[in-house]
Amino acid sequence: GAGVSQSPRYKVAKRGQDVALRCDPISGHVSLFWYQQALGQGPEFLTYFQNEAQLDKSGLPSDRFFAERPEGSVSTLKIQRTQQEDSAVYLCASSFGVWETQYFGPGTRLLVL
Amino acid sequence: AQSVSQHNHHVILSEAASLELGCNYSYGGTVNLFWYVQYPGQHLQLLLKYFSGDPLVKGIKGFEAEFIKSKFSFNLRKPSVQWSDTAEYFCAVNADRSATNKLIFGTGTLLAVQP
Repeated sequence: GAGVSQSPRYKVAKRGQDVALRCDPISGHVSLFWYQQALGQGPEFLTYFQNEAQLDKSGLPSDRFFAERPEGSVSTLKIQRTQQEDSAVYLCASSFGVWETQYFGPGTRLLVL
Repeated sequence: AQSVSQHNHHVILSEAASLELGCNYSYGGTVNLFWYVQYPGQHLQLLLKYFSGDPLVKGIKGFEAEFIKSKFSFNLRKPSVQWSDTAEYFCAVNADRSATNKLIFGTGTLLAVQP
C-alpha cells in the first residue's frame, strides 16, 4: 500500500510564525514517531504515539513544540513562534506495532528566516 | 544516555571496491541495531536490522552487518559496491524493551561511488 506521506514537503516561515506539519502514516500502523534532522546530522527523536496516546514526548526541544494524533491516524506537529534554530527536516515514521520496523516519510523541510 | 558514532562522514569508492562503514554505540544493556539508507531524493529506508540470534545479518542489495557485542560495534559491509549504492547511510540503535522504540541515530556516512 501507500507509504508514509507528509505535507507540506517544504515550508518557509518567518521567525515568530506558527507552523503545522502533517503526517499520514501507513494505514493500520499503531505507532507513530516524529524525528528532527538538522543539516549534517542524523534524525533525533521528538515524540511517540501509540494510537492517539502520546506516550513519550521527551525529545520535544521546548514548549513551543506540540504534537497530536487525535484519532489515532493522522498526526500534526505544531511549532509555535518559530525560531531560526527550528530549521530542519521533520521526519515522521510509523510502524505496525511498537517493536516493528519503522517506515519513514519523505520529511518536511522547514526553513525559518 | 545512548549514543551512536559513525566514524566516516564521507567515503568515496570506485565501483567494485569493498565497503565497510563503522558504527559503535554506547549502551550497557541489550540493544536492537539498524542500518538505514537514504538514496538521493528519497526517504530513509531500512537496510537491515539485528534483534537477536546470528550476529551476522544480511540485508537488501547485498549488504550485511556484523554485531560484535564486546566491541559495541555493528559495522556495515558490502563486498563490491555499485554506482547505485551512492547514498547516505545511518546506523541506529534502540534499547531493547525500553518504554518506546525510539531510535538513536548516528550522524550518517555519505557514500559516493564513482563509476
